[in-house]
Amino acid sequence: GNSVTQMEGPVTLSEEAFLTINCTYTATGYPSLFWYVQYPGEGLQLLLKATKADDKGSNKGFEATYRKETTSFHLEKGSVQVSDSAVYFCAINSGGSNYKLTFGKGTLLTVNP
Amino acid sequence: ETGVTQTPRHLVMGMTNKKSLKCEQHLGHNAMYWYKQSAKKPLELMFVYSLEERVENNSVPSRFSPECPNSSHLFLHLHTLQPEDSALYLCASSQDKGGGYTFGSGTRLTVV
Repeated sequence: GNSVTQMEGPVTLSEEAFLTINCTYTATGYPSLFWYVQYPGEGLQLLLKATKADDKGSNKGFEATYRKETTSFHLEKGSVQVSDSAVYFCAINSGGSNYKLTFGKGTLLTVNP
Repeated sequence: ETGVTQTPRHLVMGMTNKKSLKCEQHLGHNAMYWYKQSAKKPLELMFVYSLEERVENNSVPSRFSPECPNSSHLFLHLHTLQPEDSALYLCASSQDKGGGYTFGSGTRLTVV
């Protein structure tokens, strides 16, 4: 079955620091890859996605590149802000007859001023 | 109107009560999901509905009873819950099999 492994954290950074949250996956076929963000007291929001190898998803300064050869989808941001403090989830979906998203355990990011 | 709306946002109930959580999506999606999110634990998929038919039930106790009367609405009926059922219950919907989900803001449930 599908599985997702991501950095467990917590990750604490100062404002304007560089962020990387690692995510690797195992899956059959050619999955679509996602990053979701959950702000305190809220549900999950789609941050970005990529549907095929070498695609780069980007949104709000965050980027992640679909690396089929290393089965990875690491999340990066060049300069984090206090407002980026949240929990970040990596997820995959193999499509086909399977509607399910498989989520990683989530990484708590805290950005200090 | 946001894409997926959950009500109520907060719910406190006794162990002998019966209550229902409601989820409504205005996105024209054809699949809906219930997830449980507890502190310090991964997201737990509870139920999946595709075209109003339940396609997955992940060994959820019978005190949780889902209902999907149409493609836009999903309910989670609760009865005789335990304190360990206290959690954030998230509803989500999706359109296609390779796509992502749109989540609601969740219902924070406390069982006393």
